[in-house]
This record gives sequence, structure tokens and C-alpha cells, in this order.
Amino acid sequence: SQTIHQWPATLVQPVGSPLSLECTVEGTSNPNLYWYRQAAGRGLQLLFYSVGIGQISSEVPQNLSASRPQDRQFILSSKKLLLSDSGFYLCAWSRILNEQFFGPGTRLTVL
Amino acid sequence: GQQLNQSPQSMFIQEGEDVSMNCTSSSIFNTWLWYKQDPGEGPVLLIALYKAGELTSNGRLTAQFGITRKDSFLNISASIPSDVGIYFCAGRLIQGAQKLVFGQGTRLTINP
Repeated sequence: SQTIHQWPATLVQPVGSPLSLECTVEGTSNPNLYWYRQAAGRGLQLLFYSVGIGQISSEVPQNLSASRPQDRQFILSSKKLLLSDSGFYLCAWSRILNEQFFGPGTRLTVL
Repeated sequence: GQQLNQSPQSMFIQEGEDVSMNCTSSSIFNTWLWYKQDPGEGPVLLIALYKAGELTSNGRLTAQFGITRKDSFLNISASIPSDVGIYFCAGRLIQGAQKLVFGQGTRLTINP
């Protein structure tokens, strides 16, 4: 069976510091991978998605970037965090054109 | 961009009542998905629908893919306390099919 991991689970960072969130998937190969952000009590905003190693599509202009160095690894990064980067970050995977399955999420607080 | 209008935004019901929520759009979708999110956790897939008119059940949950391909509903029968959470619909457009479009969610609160 497939599992998806995210870490860290929670993170508190000062404004201007760098960020690296990691997502890994087990039990499948060549998945589509997605990063979403969710503000408190709000819906899901798609940030990036990837259909293969090194292939990243950005959905919104922002302070964040994504990379996919390995088939089942997806990383969300920032060089300098802003207060507005606070939120709940969710990674998801899917097989092509099928359902998306979400990880447990990372709660990021920027102070 | 494409939008899904999910309603109601919130519901306050008594335990044992039935629940109904829906999503509508001006765009045509070829897949509808329903998710539930508990506080502090990632959304969990409840039901997936792939054909117009399809009606699918998962325990006390029933969802339908609208015949026009522009809407879907989710019903929960005989609600229990563990049904509390936020329910999201999501659709996959025929064009740009790598991504899902999400509704804004329905927050369900149950009074025991």
C-alpha cells in the first residue's frame, strides 16, 4: 500500500529565515506530486505540482519554490519567510488522472 | 480561473439528523471527489465519482455526479459525533486534468 509522509509536523520560524519542508511517498512510482497551502478555516490553494523528476509547475507567484530531486520526494522551500507564509502545508500524490491522497500536513507559524 | 461553489459554508445539526451539501460550477468536470478533513490533519478521500449520473455510497455517505457534469452532492445519513469536520468537494476538469479544483469546504458541527 502507498503512504505519504511530511516533516516536520510543526514549525515555528522567524521572519526572514529559510524554509525547507519535505514530502516523500512510498509504495508507488512516478506519482504526480502536489503542494497546497491552507489558511486557517479556509480552502486549499494549490502552490506547485510535479509530473516527474525536475518538472515543477507553479500555480501562483509567491515567495516559495519547489523541487523534486527524486521520483518520490517533493520539497517546498523559501529563502526568506514572510509573515504571510504562515499556514498549513499539505502534500498530495496521485496516479495520473486519478484521486489525490494527502499527507498529514505541516503547520508553519512565521513570527 | 475555474471555481467550485460549495454550500452551505457551515452546518449546525443535531446528532442523528441527515446532512446534505453540494458543489456547483459553470464548468464541466469529468471527475468529482469528496474529502473530509479533521482538525490538524490532511483531507481523507471519502468518495470518487467518474460518470455523469453515478450514485455511490460509502457506509452512511452517498454522493452523486450530476447529470450535467457541473454539480455533485454529498449526503450523510443519521449523523454521529465523529462526522464533525470540514468536507471538501473537488473536481477534475477535462482540460488541464493534472490538477483538481477544490470547493471552499462545508464545516459540519454536531450537537449531541
